[in-house]
Amino acid sequence: GAGVSQSPRYKVAKRGQDVALRCDPISGHVSLFWYQQALGQGPEFLTYFQNEAQLDKSGLPSDRFFAERPEGSVSTLKIQRTQQEDSAVYLCASSSSGQSTDTQYFGPGTRLTVL
Amino acid sequence: GQNIDQPTEMTATEGAIVQINCTYQTSGFNGLFWYQQHAGEAPTFLSYNVLDGLEEKGRFSSFLSRSKGYSYLLLKELQMKDSASYLCAGTGAGSYQLTFGKGTKLSVIP
Repeated sequence: GAGVSQSPRYKVAKRGQDVALRCDPISGHVSLFWYQQALGQGPEFLTYFQNEAQLDKSGLPSDRFFAERPEGSVSTLKIQRTQQEDSAVYLCASSSSGQSTDTQYFGPGTRLTVL
Repeated sequence: GQNIDQPTEMTATEGAIVQINCTYQTSGFNGLFWYQQHAGEAPTFLSYNVLDGLEEKGRFSSFLSRSKGYSYLLLKELQMKDSASYLCAGTGAGSYQLTFGKGTKLSVIP
């Protein structure tokens, strides 16, 4: 079956531009996560949805970052007024239920470069 | 939160065995995952341990000691395609997010 997909795979933005990154989780998966991965580092948690409810956004680095999942499936991570420090790979993951022990399955990520 | 520590880099020979260690804070710990990540690709799930002991899955095994806050990933019969980063990640009690270590970059040489 289809895994987690993300688009675009690569995004180049000029500093100050807004960007929107899309995630299509595995069909039927309740939980959806966004992570940010800097070069040579492990992924860092940004935010978590259970269905359409955003239950945890403690990892969002600033109020320029906003995520939504209005119908409980596809999710969008939006970054306003991008800065150079936002350059990273943004990973989306989904898991089947709302259990904290569920395996999270990752998408290929969107590599964002801010010039 | 969790502090996850693992070596930055390791090198091993094709056909050999390698052990990648991971230590973490034990307070609030709920379970430990290992993921493999090839350069430019998504992390892929390898194993999950919540109880003490060894979980074996083909060439890969993972061990957990909850009292010591210690885990390792054991890779046997190394192949060139095993060259990748190996990420150790923990979950805290009542928390859904994964807290990752920085990853161990494994290079398999002929």
